[in-house]
Amino acid sequence: GAGVSQSPSNKVTEKGKDVELRCDPISGHTALYWYRQSLGQGLEFLIYFQGNSAPDKSGLPSDRFSAERTGGSVSTLTIQRTQQEDSAVYLCASSLEASSGNTIYFGEGSWLTVV
Amino acid sequence: AQSVTQLDSQVPVFEEAPVELRCNYSSSVSVYLFWYVQYPNQGLQLLLKYLSGSTLVESINGFEAEFNKSQTSFHLRKPSVHISDTAEYFCAVSEGRGSTLGRLYFGRGTQLTVWP
Repeated sequence: GAGVSQSPSNKVTEKGKDVELRCDPISGHTALYWYRQSLGQGLEFLIYFQGNSAPDKSGLPSDRFSAERTGGSVSTLTIQRTQQEDSAVYLCASSLEASSGNTIYFGEGSWLTVV
Repeated sequence: AQSVTQLDSQVPVFEEAPVELRCNYSSSVSVYLFWYVQYPNQGLQLLLKYLSGSTLVESINGFEAEFNKSQTSFHLRKPSVHISDTAEYFCAVSEGRGSTLGRLYFGRGTQLTVWP
């Protein structure tokens, strides 16, 4: 597609429920990133995938968070047993490859509200 | 790992005034520097980036930033702002090598508000 596509754009869920957020990167981009943007915390790195390499999961805040990338394209971020502090905008991004000089393109985000 | 400091969380200015948004990072060893902009209700967009070469980089809409290695800074400037420049601006750094290759470290953002 023309840009990074994320769904849903908005999600309200009850505390304790699981949620799945989807990201469709720009066609041909081998690197895919998840970030979280919340008030007072700025932009936090969560995880990134580069081709078939093992993902860098070092930013995931707890074991309730997981992500997978199927077929080297679409990615799903899963949050289990959601808590109110999980409320944030979850941003997906992609780039041609995980090289520091490549521009990283962001989607418009999935706004998650846990009530 | 890098840390990025944006010294001002809010910068209010009047239209046509100059503006500087400050950014400092923790290490000057082989880094690449970026400014991203987020307009209201939109996603992050790349404004400009420094990879190598000339330390002064420019965007298409009149912003510029200068890489200063000795001061580990990458401040963003515009000589005359427009109301349409109202947005949140994020400074970001990535490391040129190592296990965090490709990962962006962001500052907390600076909200620029331009008043008529």
